[in-house]
Amino acid sequence: DAKTTQPPSMDCAEGRAANLPCNHSTISGNEYVYWYRQIHSQGPQYIIHGLKNNETNEMASLIITEDRKSSTLILPHATLRDTAVYYCIVRVVSGAQKLVFGQGTRLTINP
Amino acid sequence: EAQVTQNPRYLITVTGKKLTVTCSQNMNHEYMSWYRQDPGLGLRQIYYSMNVEVTDKGDVPEGYKVSRKEKRNFPLILESPSPNQTSLYFCASSRGTLYEQYFGPGTRLTVT
Repeated sequence: DAKTTQPPSMDCAEGRAANLPCNHSTISGNEYVYWYRQIHSQGPQYIIHGLKNNETNEMASLIITEDRKSSTLILPHATLRDTAVYYCIVRVVSGAQKLVFGQGTRLTINP
Repeated sequence: EAQVTQNPRYLITVTGKKLTVTCSQNMNHEYMSWYRQDPGLGLRQIYYSMNVEVTDKGDVPEGYKVSRKEKRNFPLILESPSPNQTSLYFCASSRGTLYEQYFGPGTRLTVT
């Protein structure tokens, strides 16, 4: 699975959009981009995933560049409860379904 | 409510005393998996199961056993726990290879 690079930490004001970048320059054509988050030591929570088109759900939007070498997770109206570590994962859809979490981005939402 | 449950949530035990961490999901998912999370090492897969009676090793299977006799349950067995198995353990389930994984709340295990 391709390696990802994320900033170690980010801050965002409550109510503003939080934009979390992820670099995955070695991504292969059959690898998907997944985003999960983890609040304190709770179980990780799925946010969104995509292959090459932009995706949106009730939690967030995922913008993938045309060359697929990077992506941005957008939380449109961040709340204090969005404070968490966010993980960008790139993986092939395979039987093992292994998720490999890197260091992620620690996002702090400030009041 | 759709969920993955784990028990116990916290466990302190001694070296060599066999223990089982249970995992159950109510979403009729075929896929289930166990991970451990350690500071600086991220999330590592221990075992996974594609369906009943189908299990396979992940990246760090040594010292662990699993079984999948029913679709909803996927227990993790430590037959002779050692201090290096002190960790935060997560069970996860999914309805298929493309779909998201749902994680349990975690089990914090300390082996002394």
